[in-house]
This record gives sequence, structure tokens and C-alpha cells, in this order.
Amino acid sequence: SIVMTQTPKFLLVSAGDRVTITCKASQSVSNDVAWYQQKPGQSPKLLIYYASNRYTGVPDRFTGSGYGTDFTFTISTVQAEDLAVYFCQQDYSSPPTFGGGTKLEIK
Amino acid sequence: EVQLQQSGPELVKPGASVKISCKASGYTFTDYNMHWVKQSHGKSLEWIGYIYPYNGGTGYNQKFKSKATLTVDNSSSTAYMELRSLTSEDSAVYYCASGTWFAYWGQGTLVTVSA
Repeated sequence: SIVMTQTPKFLLVSAGDRVTITCKASQSVSNDVAWYQQKPGQSPKLLIYYASNRYTGVPDRFTGSGYGTDFTFTISTVQAEDLAVYFCQQDYSSPPTFGGGTKLEIK
Repeated sequence: EVQLQQSGPELVKPGASVKISCKASGYTFTDYNMHWVKQSHGKSLEWIGYIYPYNGGTGYNQKFKSKATLTVDNSSSTAYMELRSLTSEDSAVYYCASGTWFAYWGQGTLVTVSA
């Protein structure tokens, strides 16, 4: 299985900060990467697919980039409502696999 | 509006089986694979497998092949996952997810395995 190594595991930031999360695949996954947001007590929610495409209704402060093995997820200006755990996921080969998650907390 | 409505929490004894359901609405049930994902407490997400409601075709993560069985009832647009020979390691929240790129998720079903 492809391993998705996500860093950092934890982020403590202030509202208005810029946040970057990275995901490294154990082998090339082309651009078959998605990013999800999971708020406390909720199901995951799709934010980004094919590495850089924003899903319907997702605010433009959320962006993704990358190809091959290295991927980046950015929140340009963090808001209090962005408190959540963020996961990357590859869908290049079966089984689909997820990163370990990044917990974002707001000061 | 697409909705995936899962069955309620389950408390089951070690060694037993449990069958949880996921009722889809708001889209044509047979158009998309239905996936199942496990989330152990405080941990990441693991893909269990999928079923294609159109023809009942399935695919499993090798890790869960002897643990889970996926089925569907197209007449009620409902997907099912049966978990067998349960141990404490199977205590988790289980999600169904559908659509392209797991765009739609159920609310999750908590399964607790305890004597």
C-alpha cells in the first residue's frame, strides 16, 4: 500500500495566519490526491481533489498543489471556523490511503 | 441534496457480528461506488472496501477481507457492512462514503466491542 506521510501532526495558529500542511507519498501518485477537513464530532468533508481542484462551495482561502510524491495544502488566512483535523488521501492505487492527519487549533 | 443516513451506535460482545446500514438519497444509488471507512478513536482513516450497487461488484482492502462483507439492497438504496469475529480492535466509528472522491459521507456509526 502507498503510505501518505503528513506533516505536521499539530498546528497552533492565530486567526489571520497562513497555514501550510504537506503530504509525501511513498511512491508517485500522479495528481490523484484529495484533502479533507474533519471538524470536531463531524464526518470528513472533501475540500480539494486532483491535488489542486477546489470542491463545490469550498472557500478560495483553501488551496492545494503538488504532483508525484509531494503535495501541499494551504489556508491563506485562517479563520476560527477552520478548527479541524485535515487529511490527505491518495486514490492512485488501491487501497486508497490517508495521511495521519493534522490537527489545527486556533489561539 | 445527497444524504447518507447510517444506522445507530452498536454495543456488541467480543466474537459476535454486527451489520450496519447506510441509506442513500438525493442521487441515483447505482451510479456510484459505496465505500466504507474506519476511524479508530483519535486516529486516521482506513479504507475498508467498496461495492458497486449497479452490479454488486466489490473490492476490499486486504487488511479487512476476512473481517467485512459489503452488500446492497437496491430496492431501498441501502448499503450494508457486516463485521464478524469482533475484537476490541474493531471498536471504531465506521463511515459510508460515496460520490467521486468520497464527496459524500454518512454521519458515522460507532461500534463498541465490549463484554
